[in-house]
Amino acid sequence: GAVVSQHPSWVICKSGTSVKIECRSLDFQATTMFWYRQFPKQSLMLMATSNEGSKATYEQGVEKDKFLINHASLTLSTLTVTSAHPEDSSFYICSAGSIGLSNEQFFGPGTRLTVL
Amino acid sequence: SQQGEEDPQALSIQEGENATMNCSYKTSINNLQWYRQNSGRGLVHLILIRSNEREKHSGRLRVTLDTSKKSSSLLITASRAADTASYFCATAPNAGGTSYGKLTFGQGTILTVHP
Repeated sequence: GAVVSQHPSWVICKSGTSVKIECRSLDFQATTMFWYRQFPKQSLMLMATSNEGSKATYEQGVEKDKFLINHASLTLSTLTVTSAHPEDSSFYICSAGSIGLSNEQFFGPGTRLTVL
Repeated sequence: SQQGEEDPQALSIQEGENATMNCSYKTSINNLQWYRQNSGRGLVHLILIRSNEREKHSGRLRVTLDTSKKSSSLLITASRAADTASYFCATAPNAGGTSYGKLTFGQGTILTVHP
């Protein structure tokens, strides 16, 4: 099956710093990538939808200036958490899909962000 | 907003028993998917059932979909300790355009299978 990787798998940073998380589709071209956030013992909440070459579409309540998304190529999307604060600590998961792959999305392994 | 509701929130069974999890949703869907997540890990896609399908099987998994009741169930037969995980349903909207591919996840069921 299609493989999606995320890097880093975990990161600890100080409050006020910015953190970049990469999401890569390794063996297929992803026309669309999605970014989710998951708090402990909770479900996944969609943050934004990212289409290659265009601006990301953010879900209601998600600050686009705080969570910068770049989908520069068909195999790479990045999420940058700017000026991170402890409340941004969460598990961030990306998924990738392609119209040619029908409705299935392929999920990355997630990135655990801890902001001190 | 989360439209998927799952029950039970937690399920504890013995190895060999069957586990049934239910999911309800609110809006029209194109398909419904079930995922498994081991603690602190990414999601594993289990099965996809389209809106015009009523039942689907994959190994020890059986999924049903009742679009009139806007509900689905996941049955794991002859459970194993390795099935211990959180299980999520996710719905894909019945609309194209900007809604393409967007999944709405249920709250999840935490399944514990005791050896």
